[in-house]
Amino acid sequence: QQPVQSPQAVILREGEDAVINCSSSKALYSVHWYRQKHGEAPVFLMILLKGGEQKGHEKISASFNEKKQQSSLYLTASQLSYSGTYFCGTAYSGGGADGLTFGKGTHLIIQP
Amino acid sequence: DTAVSQTPKYLVTQMGNDKSIKCEQNLGHDTMYWYKQDSKKFLKIMFSYNNKELIINETVPNRFSPKSPDKAHLNLHINSLELGDSAVYFCASSQDEIYGYTFGSGTRLTVV
Repeated sequence: QQPVQSPQAVILREGEDAVINCSSSKALYSVHWYRQKHGEAPVFLMILLKGGEQKGHEKISASFNEKKQQSSLYLTASQLSYSGTYFCGTAYSGGGADGLTFGKGTHLIIQP
Repeated sequence: DTAVSQTPKYLVTQMGNDKSIKCEQNLGHDTMYWYKQDSKKFLKIMFSYNNKELIINETVPNRFSPKSPDKAHLNLHINSLELGDSAVYFCASSQDEIYGYTFGSGTRLTVV
């Protein structure tokens, strides 16, 4: 079952913050976050495993609320390079054999 | 060094033809995947292949078949191509999902 991402699109000025949400109706094992720029492949940002952890990656961090089966991606002090489409990918069991089910993506535009 | 490479990058072909897309990874990963990204950017898993175990997404037509001659390769064969098969096809690999997936650069397939 496909996770639901929100918002569908965000337009920000450089330096502003953004939050992208991903929710599942099915119990999650892990949540991945990827960024895809136009005409390029998706690039892995981070993974959150069940346990409600929070991770950081420079000015990009994420949280996973196991109770609500939700994950949020936080982009602080956004830079022009953050522009792209962000996807959450969900796994319902470990091991990777089933692959990830991706949300429809959130299109992020950063303006100078 | 390209980690996950796909060939060709572009493929234009007529309806009814049979075509193949090749994928090779030099990362030593155990699991490889094929994803289809449609015109609305929706990334959908088609196959995962791990240690000779193939998991097929039930929605994939049997005109699509993966072939893995060895651990580093997972090729995609498509028979009797249809207009609706037009999309970007991504190959990906992972060793352990905690390190995320590494995607190839994609093959844009256009069926005319």
